[in-house]
Amino acid sequence: QSALTQPASVSGSPGQSITISCTGTSSDIGDYDYVSWHQQHPGKAPKLIILDVNNRPSGVSNRFSASKSGNTASLTISGLQADDEATYYCSSYRGSNTLIFGGGTKLTVL
Amino acid sequence: QLQLQESGPGLVRPSETLSLTCSVSGDSITSSSYYWGWVRQPPGKALEWIGNIYYSGSTYYNPSLKSRLTMSVDTSKTRFSLNLRSVTATDTAVYYCARTTYNHAWFFEYWGQGMLVTVSS
Repeated sequence: QSALTQPASVSGSPGQSITISCTGTSSDIGDYDYVSWHQQHPGKAPKLIILDVNNRPSGVSNRFSASKSGNTASLTISGLQADDEATYYCSSYRGSNTLIFGGGTKLTVL
Repeated sequence: QLQLQESGPGLVRPSETLSLTCSVSGDSITSSSYYWGWVRQPPGKALEWIGNIYYSGSTYYNPSLKSRLTMSVDTSKTRFSLNLRSVTATDTAVYYCARTTYNHAWFFEYWGQGMLVTVSS
């Protein structure tokens, strides 16, 4: 199973907005709305921040938003804060009862 | 508050079987509204989905691991397990157990703290 494609790294200054892309295929992101995003700080378990393409679980800041167009999903973080520095993973249902993750994007807050 | 805790050997010999258990507290593992799963992460690398299991015992496996993988659920003891056979060094990873969101099999909302399993002689 090939992972979804994410940029290895992105960076931004406090207060700015950044967007992380997640590119799949017509067999996963392009065919299903079962896209999620997780945030992972070093040495910690992942935290679900987006599900169903663009919905936030209770308690997740509205600074996190997401969307999907064709085979690509995107996560936007607005008003960057120091604690947003982490690695972000997208995931998508791929049919036949399988799930695929992206390669992860490390966000650096300058 | 739901809590998940992985347990098992931290060191496994090559060609042997990796066996892990996830103990669940704060919720019923027999709820029909959730799936339970395993995700692993080799050191410095990305997350990899291993598989999901429903309280009834039905399973979904990563095709790349399916031939070596067995997952099971013990509803009486509120835990579920992972057995990965014929391991090699590439199976060295932090293994996480997790529970999905309500009525959905593919979004992991609650995670255990993770357990490093090293495959080495």
